[in-house]
Amino acid sequence: AQSVTQLGSHVSVSEGALVLLRCNYSSSVPPYLFWYVQYPNQGLQLLLKYTSAATLVKGINGFEAEFKKSETSFHLTKPSAHMSDAAEYFCAVKGGGSNYKLTFGKGTLLTVNP
Amino acid sequence: GAGVSQTPSNKVTEKGKYVELRCDPISGHTALYWYRQSLGQGPEFLIYFQGTGAADDSGLPNDRFFAVRPEGSVSTLKIQRTERGDSAVYLCASSLASGNTDTQYFGPGTRLTVL
Repeated sequence: AQSVTQLGSHVSVSEGALVLLRCNYSSSVPPYLFWYVQYPNQGLQLLLKYTSAATLVKGINGFEAEFKKSETSFHLTKPSAHMSDAAEYFCAVKGGGSNYKLTFGKGTLLTVNP
Repeated sequence: GAGVSQTPSNKVTEKGKYVELRCDPISGHTALYWYRQSLGQGPEFLIYFQGTGAADDSGLPNDRFFAVRPEGSVSTLKIQRTERGDSAVYLCASSLASGNTDTQYFGPGTRLTVL
């Protein structure tokens, strides 16, 4: 079975500071990993995905994530936080027999302070 | 183009009542998924359709839950004899295909409250 652990249910940063949201996965097969963002009262929007082509993945809005197999991690980063980045972020994994099913972490709420 | 739409956006019902939640996927997407997001949790898989058929309904919590997609486009999630524990946001997603790398596009969800 696959699973995702997001360390820190709430992360608070100052505007302009580095954003680091942590995601560790467990998978018995090569994983496919995704980061989604959810703004209040909106659906989930894909930020980026890892599909084994390159370990450093660049996404929308200046976010990127690096797949590290040795650490079973796929942490999300952004060099400089904007107020508009305040949202909930979900890491998710796919792979194996149920290659259509996304398994999500519990999410990390990011607040950005002026 | 238009994204995934879901109606209603909010549904309040009384315990024991029947509800239907509708999902209109992106045009041309053959795969459709339902997830449930409880407060403070990530979305959890309920059911997956490929075309008109339910290819995997292993996430449905019990037989009070049922979903259909009769013409391979719009889907309806049906909940009988609702319970307070059914209160959650029900999310629908669709994708062009259902492989590992295919992106699932999510709708805004239906917030169900069972009183």
